[in-house]
Amino acid sequence: KAGVTQTPRYLIKTRGQQVTLSCSPISGHRSVSWYQQTPGQGLQFLFEYFSETQRNKGNFPGRFSGRQFSNSRSEMNVSTLELGDSALYLCASSLESGHSPLHFGNGTRLTVT
Amino acid sequence: GEDVEQSLFLSVREGDSSVINCTYTDSSSTYLYWYKQEPGAGLQLLTYIFSNMDMKQDQRLTVLLNKKDKHLSLRIADTQTGDSAIYFCAETKTGGFKTIFGAGTRLFVKA
Repeated sequence: KAGVTQTPRYLIKTRGQQVTLSCSPISGHRSVSWYQQTPGQGLQFLFEYFSETQRNKGNFPGRFSGRQFSNSRSEMNVSTLELGDSALYLCASSLESGHSPLHFGNGTRLTVT
Repeated sequence: GEDVEQSLFLSVREGDSSVINCTYTDSSSTYLYWYKQEPGAGLQLLTYIFSNMDMKQDQRLTVLLNKKDKHLSLRIADTQTGDSAIYFCAETKTGGFKTIFGAGTRLFVKA
């Protein structure tokens, strides 16, 4: 089985731009979670989706949004980028969040200049 | 609260055992996990334990859970240089749809 796939692997954007990150979960997994990882804040939960519905959201501003498609693939979008948004964005999938372990992709490294 | 706390660094000699500790605050947590992260990679699930268990062993890995003290530990037997990485403790509540991670413990293995 293929693992969680995140694209692109690296992104460089400038302040004020927007960005869309993509995540393809493991086949059969219906839950997708997103995390932001920075050296100072560690792993911070962004949101979780199941069957195209956002079930939980972390403490991030409205500039951070996401969605899930009927095939369980997910995207997250960050608008009006700020320097502090530079981070590794990790996607994880599971059969059912809260009942089964998360399986992570290798992440998208976003640099905002 | 939902904080998960870990010490930041651990250094051991190759061949020794490593013990990485974690404390969590939410007694209703039902699943507790250990993940490993190597440079440039995502998090790799190492093992997990349900809150109704006290111990789980998987080859060189032993997880101990003390529910009274909300303390979780990961023991790596015969630590190898390839075990050098950051180890994250995490907890999930049933129905919480969210897994909370500690800050990670960076393990250095000296040859």
